[in-house]
Amino acid sequence: AQSVAQPEDQVNVAEGNPLTVKCTYSVSGNPYLFWYVQYPNRGLQFLLKYITGDNLVKGSYGFEAEFNKSQTSFHLKKPSALVSDSALYFCAVRALHKAAGNKLTFGGGTRVLVKP
Amino acid sequence: KAGVTQTPRYLIKTRGQQVTLSCSPISGHRSVSWYQQTPGQGLQFLFEYFSETQRNKGNFPGRFSGRQFSNSRSEMNVSTLELGDSALYLCASSLDQDRDNTEAFFGQGTRLTVV
Repeated sequence: AQSVAQPEDQVNVAEGNPLTVKCTYSVSGNPYLFWYVQYPNRGLQFLLKYITGDNLVKGSYGFEAEFNKSQTSFHLKKPSALVSDSALYFCAVRALHKAAGNKLTFGGGTRVLVKP
Repeated sequence: KAGVTQTPRYLIKTRGQQVTLSCSPISGHRSVSWYQQTPGQGLQFLFEYFSETQRNKGNFPGRFSGRQFSNSRSEMNVSTLELGDSALYLCASSLDQDRDNTEAFFGQGTRLTVV
């Protein structure tokens, strides 16, 4: 069975400071990893993914994430946070074996609040 | 190109009724997945359809069902609604699983309120 943990329910950061949202995962075999963001009363917007290759993945809106296989982590980062980054962030994992299909397992979400 | 379209956006139903939600995936996407989002349980996988066949199913009672049509549009149905079914229902479309570069694109969701 696959699982995702986001240990922080909320992260507060001042505008212009670095932002980090933590994620650890558990899955059999190699994972596909994703980050999504959700604004109020909206669906999920894709930010970035790790499939294979470089451990540092760059995505939309200046976000990046670092895949660490030994620590089974995939933390989301942004060097300089904006007030508009305030939203709910979800980490998700997808197993690679055929039976898993496109099923995503999500973490519980981390609310990011960026203060001016 | 057009994104994932879910209809309706909002629904209010009474306990015991049934409801059908619709999802039109991105053109060319053959996989459609459904998720339930609630404050208490977070995002939970309901089922996935691919080429009109259910390929994967989450841990939900049989009152939750779905189908996919030949044009990849999908519907999900919930029968005998319970108060606990109140949630945001999200549809996601993806390319074929076998392709490496596949991420799920989500619709804006249907907010179901059961009273």
